[in-house]
Amino acid sequence: DTAVSQTPKYLVTQMGNDKSIKCEQNLGHDTMYWYKQDSKKFLKIMFSYNNKELIINETVPNRFSPKSPDKAHLNLHINSLELGDSAVYFCASSRIATGNTGELFFGEGSRLTVL
Amino acid sequence: RKEVEQDPGPFNVPEGATVAFNCTYSNSASQSFFWYRQDCRKEPKLLMSVYSSGNEDGRFTAQLNRASQYISLLIRDSKLSDSATYLCVVNGVTGANNLFFGTGTRLTVIP
Repeated sequence: DTAVSQTPKYLVTQMGNDKSIKCEQNLGHDTMYWYKQDSKKFLKIMFSYNNKELIINETVPNRFSPKSPDKAHLNLHINSLELGDSAVYFCASSRIATGNTGELFFGEGSRLTVL
Repeated sequence: RKEVEQDPGPFNVPEGATVAFNCTYSNSASQSFFWYRQDCRKEPKLLMSVYSSGNEDGRFTAQLNRASQYISLLIRDSKLSDSATYLCVVNGVTGANNLFFGTGTRLTVIP
């Protein structure tokens, strides 16, 4: 069983479209995250949710909107896609939000290409 | 200045070699430090935490120097399977498990 699963794994779309990426974890973790890894391999946090509540919201365009229907799911919706949004988006989860457990469990990534 | 800086490499070493990676971090208030490993086109996975006194896990040794804000990872007796990108990770102090990742150091172990 995959601990953190995200879909789709690959997404190719045109500029201006709206798309969503879904993420689910079956680890029983309370905290979930979205990270973006760009072409230079720099992995940067976008959002973090703890028990469905937003706790980290880094400087991300408001075209990106996370939604957490329950603590096992964290979806990412992107409006009006731009070329610069092309990246690999990783979902992750961890046991607790504070205390710096350090161990993030990542999904396999969703590779988004905007044409 | 980036929160975490690493030499991107690549480091190409023969099997059996010892290789060391370094990383510096900018926030002196950071409390938690880690090394993650990322294989090509895969997700990052935790390799080991880094403790103040230094720690070892098999062929891997991690060290922390708080005064110099410097973290290292030493790999002894390199195996082909060690080929990957090694990410230095430091917690931020803005709260809530906000981890900052370095851009990684790429290692290739050559037969």
